[in-house]
Amino acid sequence: GENVEQHPSTLSVQEGDSAVIKCTYSDSASNYFPWYKQELGKRPQLIIDIRSNVGEKKDQRIAVTLNKTAKHFSLHITETQPEDSAVYFCAASEEDNTNAGKSTFGDGTTLTVKP
Amino acid sequence: DAGVIQSPRHEVTEMGQEVTLRCKPISGHDYLFWYRQTMMRGLELLIYFNNNVPIDDSGMPEDRFSAKMPNASFSTLKIQPSEPRDSAVYFCASSFRGVGNQPQHFGDGTRLSIL
Repeated sequence: GENVEQHPSTLSVQEGDSAVIKCTYSDSASNYFPWYKQELGKRPQLIIDIRSNVGEKKDQRIAVTLNKTAKHFSLHITETQPEDSAVYFCAASEEDNTNAGKSTFGDGTTLTVKP
Repeated sequence: DAGVIQSPRHEVTEMGQEVTLRCKPISGHDYLFWYRQTMMRGLELLIYFNNNVPIDDSGMPEDRFSAKMPNASFSTLKIQPSEPRDSAVYFCASSFRGVGNQPQHFGDGTRLSIL
């Protein structure tokens, strides 16, 4: 089955700096990669996703890059703000087999943005 | 749309009691997922359904756990008998299969404490 590894497990940055979270996956058939943000005591919520037919996607201060050859994808947050502090999860899923619809999640990265 | 609705939000019960968690997915979504989240084990997929049929229950910890989806708008996760190690936040999520996989929408979770 799919295995997703996420690094680092904790990340502390100064407000205004950039933050990068990296994930690797094992199954070359995976082709959908969502990122979720979970604030303390809240539910995980999608912040951005990318499909295998593109290498990069941006949404304001957030971007995701995908390298299918190396089987890794990354989340980039620029100009970090204290409200970016949360746990971030990457995930990978396949669309064309019996596990279609199921996502394998990384272990999460706790991001702290210091004012 | 009201989003994924879970009940109860909090449950405190004594060891050995039966616990029933409930979930109403977003209308039109054909996938439903049950997750357990703890500090030690992160976000674990317990079971997921497609069109009300269980597809993968390999994450269910043991026979004390069971899940049903009698129709497209309702699912339950039961623990009988409950044990203190079952204490966790249980999330239900739903998604649909559009043009490829789509992100999962999480409910607010049930915070379960077994004394």
